[in-house]
Amino acid sequence: AQSVTQPDIHITVSEGASLELRCNYSYGATPYLFWYVQSPGQGLQLLLKYFSGDTLVQGIKGFEAEFKRSQSSFNLRKPSVHWSDAAEYFCAVAGYAGKSTFGDGTTLTVKP
Amino acid sequence: DSGVTQTPKHLITATGQRVTLRCSPRSGDLSVYWYQQSLDQGLQFLIQYYNGEERAKGNILERFSAQQFPDLHSELNLSSLELGDSALYFCASSVDSASSYNSPLHFGNGTRLTVT
Repeated sequence: AQSVTQPDIHITVSEGASLELRCNYSYGATPYLFWYVQSPGQGLQLLLKYFSGDTLVQGIKGFEAEFKRSQSSFNLRKPSVHWSDAAEYFCAVAGYAGKSTFGDGTTLTVKP
Repeated sequence: DSGVTQTPKHLITATGQRVTLRCSPRSGDLSVYWYQQSLDQGLQFLIQYYNGEERAKGNILERFSAQQFPDLHSELNLSSLELGDSALYFCASSVDSASSYNSPLHFGNGTRLTVT
């Protein structure tokens, strides 16, 4: 069965600092991986996706993620965080019939 | 704006009642998914429909049912409601085809259900 683990429930960073959110997945074949962001009162919005090819993928809002098969990881990064990045971030893996399995999310707080 | 519309935004009802949540997918998307988000369970997949047919089932209770209509909108019916059913219910859609299952999901803003 597929699964996703986001080890950090809550992360706080200062505005302008770099960010890395961790994601580890378990899936029996080549995974389809996604990062979504959820702002308060909103639905989830796709940040980026990995299907195949280049292991470093670029997304919206200046985010990027790196797929590392050997570590079963798909960590999300941003070089300089803005206050508007404060939100909850979800990593997801897609498998049969498109049933995406989501991690429990990481809440990002940005200090001024 | 994701293009996915969910109504109503908020719903307050009593235990034992039945409610219907409605979702209109993004134009062109054939797949509709329902998710439940609660503080203790996180984001849980309930059910997926593709072009009117049930395609995948997750942690959906017997008291819950869903359908997708010919115009591709979907409804999630929740009956015999319990306090624990209070949650945010999201609908998502994607451009999945019969042979491609892994398109990104586009989420609506959810329906917040409160059962009192």
